[in-house]
Amino acid sequence: AQSVSQHNHHVILSEAASLELGCNYSYGGTVNLFWYVQYPGQHLQLLLKYFSGDPLVKGIKGFEAEFIKSKFSFNLRKPSVQWSDTAEYFCAVNARSGGGADGLTFGKGTHLIIQP
Amino acid sequence: KAGVTQTPRYLIKTRGQQVTLSCSPISGHRSVSWYQQTPGQGLQFLFEYFSETQRNKGNFPGRFSGRQFSNSRSEMNVSTLELGDSALYLCASSRGTSGRETQYFGPGTRLLVL
Repeated sequence: AQSVSQHNHHVILSEAASLELGCNYSYGGTVNLFWYVQYPGQHLQLLLKYFSGDPLVKGIKGFEAEFIKSKFSFNLRKPSVQWSDTAEYFCAVNARSGGGADGLTFGKGTHLIIQP
Repeated sequence: KAGVTQTPRYLIKTRGQQVTLSCSPISGHRSVSWYQQTPGQGLQFLFEYFSETQRNKGNFPGRFSGRQFSNSRSEMNVSTLELGDSALYLCASSRGTSGRETQYFGPGTRLLVL
């Protein structure tokens, strides 16, 4: 079974700082990779996803992530964070099987606080 | 377009009881997945339904079951509740089951078992 590790459980940054949240997964096969975000009081929503092709993917609100296959990593980045980026961030993976995939395996999440 | 809705939003039960949670997916979405979220274990996949058939199942005991109706609405049932079943139960819907579709999450049902 696959697993997902998010290195930082809590991150505190000042506005305009650069952000990188680490995510590593363990699975030897082909995977689909996702970052979801949960803003205070809101539902989980998709930030970005990667299936194949260019390993650098861009998502909403200026976020991007890079898939490095050799490192089993899918780190999330943003060059300049804003106070409104305060949220819980989840990395997730599902493994492809046949014509479909299994359920999402989530990391434990990173609670990001942006100080004005 | 209306989002994923879950009912009830909050529920208090006692040990040994059973509970049924309901999820209405986004119109046109045929896949519904259920997740359990707890502070200790995080988000864990329970099962996925597509066209009234369970396609995937996570590592949960048989006390956790679900079903999907012809209109894609889904229910999950937990029998013989235990204290450890206290959690936020999230439902997510997507168009299909390729694994590449975006899953749209509902607000969750918060279950407290006393």
